[in-house]
Amino acid sequence: AQTVTQSQPEMSVQEAETVTLSCTYDTSESDYYLFWYKQPPSRQMILVIRQEAYKQQNATENRFSVNFQKAAKSFSLKISDSQLGDAAMYFCAYRSAFGNQFYFGTGTSLTVIP
Amino acid sequence: DVKVTQSSRYLVKRTGEKVFLECVQDMDHENMFWYRQDPGLGLRLIYFSYDVKMKEKGDIPEGYSVSREKKERFSLILESASTNQTSMYLCASSLFQGRNQPQHFGDGTRLSIL
Repeated sequence: AQTVTQSQPEMSVQEAETVTLSCTYDTSESDYYLFWYKQPPSRQMILVIRQEAYKQQNATENRFSVNFQKAAKSFSLKISDSQLGDAAMYFCAYRSAFGNQFYFGTGTSLTVIP
Repeated sequence: DVKVTQSSRYLVKRTGEKVFLECVQDMDHENMFWYRQDPGLGLRLIYFSYDVKMKEKGDIPEGYSVSREKKERFSLILESASTNQTSMYLCASSLFQGRNQPQHFGDGTRLSIL
Protein backbone atom coordinates (compact mmCIF):
# COMPACT_ATOMS: atom_id res chain seq x y z
CA ALA A 1 0.00 0.00 0.00
CA GLN A 2 1.10 3.52 -0.68
CA THR A 3 2.16 5.64 2.28
CA VAL A 4 1.36 9.32 2.63
CA THR A 5 3.21 11.30 5.28
CA GLN A 6 2.33 14.69 6.69
CA SER A 7 5.10 15.53 9.11
CA GLN A 8 3.51 18.67 10.58
CA PRO A 9 0.66 17.77 12.94
CA GLU A 10 0.02 21.45 13.65
CA MET A 11 0.81 24.72 11.92
CA SER A 12 -0.12 28.32 12.51
CA VAL A 13 -0.08 31.40 10.33
CA GLN A 14 -0.87 35.08 10.77
CA GLU A 15 -3.86 36.34 8.85
CA ALA A 16 -2.84 37.60 5.37
CA GLU A 17 0.47 35.71 5.50
CA THR A 18 1.52 32.66 3.51
CA VAL A 19 1.89 29.15 4.87
CA THR A 20 3.11 25.90 3.32
CA LEU A 21 1.92 22.47 4.40
CA SER A 22 4.15 19.50 3.61
CA CYS A 23 3.25 16.11 2.21
CA THR A 24 5.43 13.26 0.99
CA TYR A 25 4.38 9.92 -0.38
CA ASP A 26 5.93 6.61 -1.19
CA THR A 27 5.07 4.84 -4.44
CA SER A 28 6.68 2.84 -7.18
CA GLU A 29 4.05 3.90 -9.69
CA SER A 30 4.59 6.57 -12.31
CA ASP A 31 0.96 7.46 -12.91
CA TYR A 32 -1.16 8.69 -10.03
CA TYR A 33 -3.15 11.60 -8.66
CA LEU A 34 -2.66 13.76 -5.61
CA PHE A 35 -5.21 15.75 -3.66
CA TRP A 36 -5.44 18.19 -0.79
CA TYR A 37 -8.61 18.14 1.28
CA LYS A 38 -9.77 20.62 3.89
CA GLN A 39 -11.88 19.66 6.91
CA PRO A 40 -13.12 22.69 8.90
CA PRO A 41 -14.10 22.04 12.52
CA SER A 42 -17.29 19.96 12.66
CA ARG A 43 -17.80 20.39 8.96
CA GLN A 44 -17.59 18.36 5.81
CA MET A 45 -14.31 17.44 4.15
CA ILE A 46 -13.97 19.22 0.83
CA LEU A 47 -11.49 19.14 -2.03
CA VAL A 48 -9.03 22.03 -2.15
CA ILE A 49 -6.84 21.16 -5.10
CA ARG A 50 -5.71 18.22 -7.21
CA GLN A 51 -2.62 17.37 -9.27
CA GLU A 52 -2.07 14.79 -11.98
CA ALA A 53 1.38 13.20 -11.77
CA TYR A 54 1.87 13.38 -15.53
CA LYS A 55 1.51 17.15 -15.49
CA GLN A 56 4.65 19.14 -14.84
CA GLN A 57 2.79 22.35 -14.18
CA ASN A 58 1.80 22.91 -10.58
CA ALA A 59 -1.92 23.21 -9.95
CA THR A 60 -3.38 26.48 -8.70
CA GLU A 61 -6.83 27.32 -7.34
CA ASN A 62 -7.12 30.98 -6.36
CA ARG A 63 -5.06 31.42 -3.15
CA PHE A 64 -4.12 27.74 -3.05
CA SER A 65 -1.23 26.30 -5.03
CA VAL A 66 0.92 23.20 -4.88
CA ASN A 67 4.60 22.51 -5.28
CA PHE A 68 4.73 19.08 -6.89
CA GLN A 69 8.19 17.50 -6.99
CA LYS A 70 7.72 14.10 -8.60
CA ALA A 71 11.29 12.88 -8.21
CA ALA A 72 11.30 13.81 -4.55
CA LYS A 73 7.74 12.45 -4.09
CA SER A 74 6.72 15.67 -2.47
CA PHE A 75 3.40 17.52 -2.75
CA SER A 76 3.21 20.65 -0.60
CA LEU A 77 0.27 23.04 -0.34
CA LYS A 78 0.80 26.79 -0.25
CA ILE A 79 -1.93 29.03 1.08
CA SER A 80 -1.42 32.69 0.24
CA ASP A 81 -3.11 35.64 1.96
CA SER A 82 -4.39 33.36 4.72
CA GLN A 83 -7.90 34.01 5.97
CA LEU A 84 -9.66 33.05 9.18
CA GLY A 85 -11.82 30.66 7.19
CA ASP A 86 -8.73 28.69 6.19
CA ALA A 87 -8.45 27.31 9.71
CA ALA A 88 -9.04 23.59 9.36
CA MET A 89 -7.47 20.17 9.25
CA TYR A 90 -5.78 19.57 5.92
CA PHE A 91 -5.28 16.10 4.49
CA CYS A 92 -3.05 15.05 1.64
CA ALA A 93 -4.27 12.06 -0.41
CA TYR A 94 -2.91 9.77 -3.11
CA ARG A 95 -4.83 7.80 -5.69
CA SER A 96 -3.24 5.33 -8.07
CA ALA A 97 -4.11 5.52 -11.74
CA PHE A 98 -4.86 1.81 -11.55
CA GLY A 99 -7.01 1.48 -8.47
CA ASN A 100 -10.01 2.89 -6.66
CA GLN A 101 -8.48 3.33 -3.25
CA PHE A 102 -7.34 6.65 -1.82
CA TYR A 103 -4.51 6.86 0.72
CA PHE A 104 -4.58 9.70 3.22
CA GLY A 105 -1.97 11.31 5.42
CA THR A 106 -2.58 11.90 9.11
CA GLY A 107 -3.46 15.54 8.59
CA THR A 108 -2.15 18.98 9.54
CA SER A 109 -4.19 21.21 11.79
CA LEU A 110 -3.89 24.82 10.62
CA THR A 111 -4.60 27.72 12.95
CA VAL A 112 -5.00 31.22 11.53
CA ILE A 113 -4.10 33.97 13.98
CA PRO A 114 -6.00 37.25 13.60
CA ASP B 1 -23.28 19.21 -6.90
CA VAL B 2 -22.59 15.83 -5.36
CA LYS B 3 -24.33 15.16 -2.12
CA VAL B 4 -23.30 12.39 0.25
CA THR B 5 -25.69 12.03 3.16
CA GLN B 6 -24.97 10.13 6.33
CA SER B 7 -28.01 9.18 8.36
CA SER B 8 -26.81 10.52 11.73
CA ARG B 9 -24.37 13.22 12.86
CA TYR B 10 -24.19 11.83 16.39
CA LEU B 11 -24.99 8.37 17.66
CA VAL B 12 -24.68 6.77 21.09
CA LYS B 13 -24.91 3.02 21.46
CA ARG B 14 -24.09 0.39 24.07
CA THR B 15 -21.48 -2.35 23.89
CA GLY B 16 -22.74 -5.48 22.24
CA GLU B 17 -25.37 -3.70 20.19
CA LYS B 18 -25.60 -4.11 16.43
CA VAL B 19 -25.10 -0.70 14.88
CA PHE B 20 -26.01 0.44 11.38
CA LEU B 21 -24.50 3.53 9.76
CA GLU B 22 -26.16 4.52 6.51
CA CYS B 23 -24.79 6.52 3.61
CA VAL B 24 -26.55 7.69 0.46
CA GLN B 25 -25.10 9.51 -2.53
CA ASP B 26 -27.05 11.16 -5.30
CA MET B 27 -24.54 11.30 -8.17
CA ASP B 28 -24.60 7.76 -9.49
CA HIS B 29 -21.04 7.12 -8.31
CA GLU B 30 -19.78 3.57 -8.63
CA ASN B 31 -17.33 3.72 -5.73
CA MET B 32 -18.30 4.15 -2.12
CA PHE B 33 -16.07 4.10 0.94
CA TRP B 34 -16.25 3.93 4.71
CA TYR B 35 -13.45 5.49 6.74
CA ARG B 36 -12.75 5.83 10.39
CA GLN B 37 -11.12 9.08 11.54
CA ASP B 38 -9.19 9.23 14.81
CA PRO B 39 -6.89 12.02 16.05
CA GLY B 40 -3.31 11.49 14.95
CA LEU B 41 -4.25 8.55 12.76
CA GLY B 42 -5.91 10.35 9.87
CA LEU B 43 -8.43 8.47 7.78
CA ARG B 44 -8.28 4.72 7.79
CA LEU B 45 -10.23 2.75 5.22
CA ILE B 46 -12.61 0.16 6.61
CA TYR B 47 -14.32 -1.12 3.46
CA PHE B 48 -15.07 0.08 -0.02
CA SER B 49 -17.37 -0.98 -2.80
CA TYR B 50 -17.00 -0.45 -6.52
CA ASP B 51 -20.37 -1.86 -7.54
CA VAL B 52 -23.62 -3.18 -6.15
CA LYS B 53 -23.06 -6.24 -3.97
CA MET B 54 -19.29 -5.87 -4.43
CA LYS B 55 -17.03 -5.03 -1.51
CA GLU B 56 -13.39 -5.05 -0.64
CA LYS B 57 -11.68 -4.89 2.72
CA GLY B 58 -9.68 -1.86 3.57
CA ASP B 59 -6.99 -1.50 6.21
CA ILE B 60 -9.11 -2.08 9.32
CA PRO B 61 -12.12 -4.30 8.49
CA GLU B 62 -12.13 -6.30 11.72
CA GLY B 63 -15.36 -5.91 13.65
CA TYR B 64 -17.16 -4.33 10.71
CA SER B 65 -19.20 -5.48 7.75
CA VAL B 66 -20.86 -3.61 4.89
CA SER B 67 -23.83 -3.91 2.60
CA ARG B 68 -24.48 -2.43 -0.81
CA GLU B 69 -27.80 -3.58 -2.19
CA LYS B 70 -28.40 -0.43 -4.25
CA LYS B 71 -25.90 1.71 -6.09
CA GLU B 72 -26.68 4.85 -4.11
CA ARG B 73 -26.58 3.31 -0.64
CA PHE B 74 -23.67 1.88 1.34
CA SER B 75 -24.17 0.69 4.90
CA LEU B 76 -21.58 0.06 7.57
CA ILE B 77 -22.48 -2.50 10.23
CA LEU B 78 -20.87 -2.98 13.60
CA GLU B 79 -21.91 -6.52 14.40
CA SER B 80 -21.29 -6.24 18.15
CA ALA B 81 -20.20 -2.76 19.10
CA SER B 82 -17.22 -2.32 21.39
CA THR B 83 -15.84 0.76 23.12
CA ASN B 84 -12.77 0.81 20.85
CA GLN B 85 -15.10 1.52 17.95
CA THR B 86 -15.93 4.92 19.37
CA SER B 87 -14.84 7.23 16.57
CA MET B 88 -15.81 9.54 13.72
CA TYR B 89 -17.01 7.61 10.68
CA LEU B 90 -16.86 9.18 7.23
CA CYS B 91 -18.57 7.97 4.10
CA ALA B 92 -17.32 8.98 0.66
CA SER B 93 -18.10 8.31 -2.98
CA SER B 94 -16.25 8.72 -6.26
CA LEU B 95 -16.49 7.88 -9.93
CA PHE B 96 -15.00 4.58 -11.02
CA GLN B 97 -13.68 6.06 -14.24
CA GLY B 98 -11.54 9.15 -14.19
CA ARG B 99 -8.83 8.63 -11.65
CA ASN B 100 -8.36 12.35 -11.19
CA GLN B 101 -11.86 12.56 -9.80
CA PRO B 102 -11.85 13.23 -6.07
CA GLN B 103 -13.82 11.59 -3.34
CA HIS B 104 -16.87 13.41 -2.05
CA PHE B 105 -17.54 13.12 1.65
CA GLY B 106 -20.53 13.12 3.94
CA ASP B 107 -20.69 15.17 7.13
CA GLY B 108 -19.55 12.25 9.25
CA THR B 109 -21.13 10.32 12.09
CA ARG B 110 -19.62 10.69 15.53
CA LEU B 111 -20.30 7.34 17.18
CA SER B 112 -19.92 6.77 20.90
CA ILE B 113 -20.05 3.26 22.32
CA LEU B 114 -20.73 3.16 26.04
